[in-house]
Amino acid sequence: NAGVTQTPKFQVLKTGQSMTLQCAQDMNHEYMSWYRQDPGMGLRLIHYSVGAGITDQGEVPNGYNVSRSTTEDFPLRLLSAAPSQTSVYFCASSYSRGQGGYTFGSGTRLTVV
Amino acid sequence: RKEVEQDPGPFNVPEGATVAFNCTYSNSASQSFFWYRQDCRKEPKLLMSVYSSGNEDGRFTAQLNRASQYISLLIRDSKLSDSATYLCVVTRSWIIFGKGTRLHILP
Repeated sequence: NAGVTQTPKFQVLKTGQSMTLQCAQDMNHEYMSWYRQDPGMGLRLIHYSVGAGITDQGEVPNGYNVSRSTTEDFPLRLLSAAPSQTSVYFCASSYSRGQGGYTFGSGTRLTVV
Repeated sequence: RKEVEQDPGPFNVPEGATVAFNCTYSNSASQSFFWYRQDCRKEPKLLMSVYSSGNEDGRFTAQLNRASQYISLLIRDSKLSDSATYLCVVTRSWIIFGKGTRLHILP
């Protein structure tokens, strides 16, 4: 089925480790984004991309890197994991940034110990 | 003032009842409006768009009041499966999510 695929679904990291969360979409969407969701905080934008080769920071970018080498893929890299990065991470895509019909991936539950 | 504000709830409503949520937004330049639904431990999913003329999708009715800068969602004949968190969404050149209102439908 068409949509947004995120891997892994669950991950436990030790403080200081690095890892990459994968996100791929097959809807030819130009806009892709990463959010984290914490209890009581709602969805917070980490990084976004309006097309291949173009990325920008969102509300909470520190500690994360992204790249967009293809339209389909938008990986999120944690450089040196910290307990404060324990969260649920969602990737979302859309035809454009301001268009409200976002499609979300199923999420990655990350625990940093 | 937060850009998009919602009552966090929870709203505990008996099955079959009608329930309404409101959401207020602070920026009058906001362009598009939506309601998303998020089930526990799942991703948000688009429920419906919101138009000034009001729009209906089955048991769900959404309304936009630009003058007062609020958006509403009405659920009629509520079902147990309606239990979820409902996110109000506003867009300008980017999308802004409210923190959501939790709804529990009681049997």
